[in-house]
Amino acid sequence: GAVVSQHPSRVICKSGTSVKIECRSLDFQATTMFWYRQFPKQSLMLMATSNEGSKATYEQGVEKDKFLINHASLTLSTLTVTSAHPEDSSFYICSASTGVGYGYTFGSGTRLTVV
Amino acid sequence: GNSVTQMEGPVTLSEEAFLTINCTYTATGYPSLFWYVQYPGEGLQLLLKATKADDKGSNKGFEATYRKETTSFHLEKGSVQVSDSAVYFCALSEATGNQFYFGTGTSLTVIP
Repeated sequence: GAVVSQHPSRVICKSGTSVKIECRSLDFQATTMFWYRQFPKQSLMLMATSNEGSKATYEQGVEKDKFLINHASLTLSTLTVTSAHPEDSSFYICSASTGVGYGYTFGSGTRLTVV
Repeated sequence: GNSVTQMEGPVTLSEEAFLTINCTYTATGYPSLFWYVQYPGEGLQLLLKATKADDKGSNKGFEATYRKETTSFHLEKGSVQVSDSAVYFCALSEATGNQFYFGTGTSLTVIP
């Protein structure tokens, strides 16, 4: 079945630095990818939707200049948390789709800790 | 709009007990319904899904039936194991879109 690889699984960074998280579809082309954020003991909140070759669509309240999303190819999307602060510490999960009506596959998630 | 309401946890059961986790939804169209499981420290894994009314999704002993009349998709398992301890998320996706709407998740702990 479809596999989405998310890397890194865990990252600790210093406040003020930037962190890049990669999401790759390993055996299919993903026209659409989604980035979610999960706060402790809460559900997943959609941050943004990215379509290959176009700008990402951010959900209300998500700072697009802070959470940079790039979907430059059909197999790779990246989320960069810029100038990270402790409040950005969270679990970030991507999911990928081959298009409307097709399946969705989730990555294994990235635990970001900003110290 | 679209939303998913899931029973609050945490739920603690003894091994071999019967499990029910309630899930109801509101949707503007004809959604597909899903249950995802998240083991500690990991991402989400699809547990089962149903794409139309009266469909039953099943996997690893878990079952859920798409009930349009009650707008529900309750998760059940007849005999839980310690290894089933995880957080379970109910979700829906509209047929015309890719976005998921998740419930808040229900934490299940199974004790020996």
